[in-house]
Amino acid sequence: EAGVAQSPRYKIIEKRQSVAFWCNPISGHATLYWYQQILGQGPKLLIQFQNNGVVDDSQLPKDRFSAERLKGVDSTLKIQPAKLEDSAVYLCASSLGGRGTNEKLFFGSGTQLSVL
Amino acid sequence: GDSVTQMEGPVTLSEEAFLTINCTYTATGYPSLFWYVQYPGEGLQLLLKATKADDKGSNKGFEATYRKETTSFHLEKGSVQVSDSAVYFCALSSNTGGFKTIFGAGTRLFVKA
Repeated sequence: EAGVAQSPRYKIIEKRQSVAFWCNPISGHATLYWYQQILGQGPKLLIQFQNNGVVDDSQLPKDRFSAERLKGVDSTLKIQPAKLEDSAVYLCASSLGGRGTNEKLFFGSGTQLSVL
Repeated sequence: GDSVTQMEGPVTLSEEAFLTINCTYTATGYPSLFWYVQYPGEGLQLLLKATKADDKGSNKGFEATYRKETTSFHLEKGSVQVSDSAVYFCALSSNTGGFKTIFGAGTRLFVKA
């Protein structure tokens, strides 16, 4: 079974530039998550999709971050313009999406973003 | 809101030592509790979970018991190995706010041979 695919693996940009990350979840998984993991901290949920609808985006800085999930499968997360404090690993995860609390999340390897 | 607090690391142990990593939570409703592990150079993966009070999750020699009275889910292993060196994250998923999973800050474990 293929896992959650993310690209790119690393990205270095200057502040005020824009960047986009891509995620392909496990086939058949209805729920897709984007997490931000700052060095030394736990993952923080940015946005959660159920199929192609947004379930939760309460912690997404909407003035600079945007995300979409096309046709309920792939997803892209964009930052425009980037700030120094956006330096982090961006993790994509997926789950079956059975609307229960015992869902196991499957994570991709993440995209490490450095903003200079 | 819901939150998870876990002991700060790093934790450094010798091989075959007993491991405890403390985790407490705050949640409304009836959350499920998880431990995820991140080995060096790898992505986060589920280690074990428990879905209701007094449940014990176990995997690879690790155990954790869902204690509702103390709102805790401490991770234990009787004899650690060098290969257990990793970062361990306690997490919860509650039925408020769309079943989102919230993570603690993580505890790094180093096991010396």
